[in-house]
Amino acid sequence: EPEVTQTPSHQVTQMGQEVILRCVPISNHLYFYWYRQILGQKVEFLVSFYNNEISEKSEIFDDQFSVERPDGSNFTLKIRSTKLEDSAMYFCASSELADNYGYTFGSGTRLTVV
Amino acid sequence: LAKTTQPISMDSYEGQEVNITCSHNNIATNDYITWYQQFPSQGPRFIIQGYKTKVTNEVASLFIPADRKSSTLSLPRVSLSDTAVYYCLVMGYGGATNKLIFGTGTLLAVQP
Repeated sequence: EPEVTQTPSHQVTQMGQEVILRCVPISNHLYFYWYRQILGQKVEFLVSFYNNEISEKSEIFDDQFSVERPDGSNFTLKIRSTKLEDSAMYFCASSELADNYGYTFGSGTRLTVV
Repeated sequence: LAKTTQPISMDSYEGQEVNITCSHNNIATNDYITWYQQFPSQGPRFIIQGYKTKVTNEVASLFIPADRKSSTLSLPRVSLSDTAVYYCLVMGYGGATNKLIFGTGTLLAVQP
């Protein structure tokens, strides 16, 4: 079964540092997403990406966040200056179609900001 | 977006059938009902989706009554590995957004 791959599985960073979370979506998928889940809380939408541009973003996704598809396979989330409250599980997801809620999620990156 | 209500938690034993009901009284005509499963420290996993009546796949069944104001996810003969959080999502097709909006879900605890 095709998988969405995320690296690293766990990242520890100091407050104020930049982090890049990496994802390899399923190869024939066209829509890419980032979600996050703070420990004990709901899974929250951050951003959706299609055709090399952001199609939608949430209020959480402020100027400190950016996404990029640097090549044909990777999809990255960058946090420029991390804050303690950015500590969370970050999940990448992809889907083949826009109108299909059967997304495939990765296993996540646990980001710990100290 | 239709608001969903589901139990916070449920307990079951191995081998039993588990039914998790979700209420969505203000579901719209173009809304579909989608269920996801999430194990601890893992991403959500799509289980099943339906519009009306009954849908079945290798993992679960989804029952949707004619008025579509509720739906029931049925897991046959659960095992310990089915312990997870189950989310009911009601999402519309053809709208301006395709983001998933997760609630708190139902924590299913399966005991031996």
